[in-house]
Amino acid sequence: DTGVSQDPRHKITKRGQNVTFRCDPISEHNRLYWYRQTLGQGPEFLTYFQNEAQLEKSRLLSDRFSAERPKGSFSTLEIQRTEQGDSAMYLCASSSPPAGPRVNYGYTFGSGTRLTVV
Amino acid sequence: DAKTTQPPSMDCAEGRAANLPCNHSTISGNEYVYWYRQIHSQGPQYIIHGLKNNETNEMASLIITEDRKSSTLILPHATLRDTAVYYCIAPTYAGGTSYGKLTFGQGTILTVHP
Repeated sequence: DTGVSQDPRHKITKRGQNVTFRCDPISEHNRLYWYRQTLGQGPEFLTYFQNEAQLEKSRLLSDRFSAERPKGSFSTLEIQRTEQGDSAMYLCASSSPPAGPRVNYGYTFGSGTRLTVV
Repeated sequence: DAKTTQPPSMDCAEGRAANLPCNHSTISGNEYVYWYRQIHSQGPQYIIHGLKNNETNEMASLIITEDRKSSTLILPHATLRDTAVYYCIAPTYAGGTSYGKLTFGQGTILTVHP
């Protein structure tokens, strides 16, 4: 297993275009997270999947953003009508189910997709 | 999540121990302390976590004070590759089917110099 893979690594798009990013989590991890990171800031939570169910969305996720995880495997994050403010690093992470009653906060992150909107 | 406070930056000489402090005075009894680091242009990397006992793994040691109001991450022999932003996080306890959202702050920029 090579960890969490994200594709593409870099994306430059014109304002108003749609973009889609893909994340392939570690195969046995049933939990998948999307985060966004702007320059000089820590990552910010966007959304969370447990298997194929999207269980939580941040207020940061406007109606131009949509995420899917069909069949509980890979996930896609689509941004419609991109704006310059969408320029950021988009990070995907996955984690295994907890061994006991506690949530496992030891995520494995991918290297991210850096989006530049011009 | 419990509020955590970290110094914005620290320096360390290569080969020496790097001791990164974190204050979490409002942490509750069942909240763990997690440490991540982020090397430039990469995603964050999980390092270690603990509740109240000191913990050690192949990457680092974590010392948590008896009152649990602060902790220190120790990199015993820092190398240039340890230059990164280090995040201390105390996520709110979530059990059962609850998700585990991590809230990252600004972290500490550790610079290891030759």
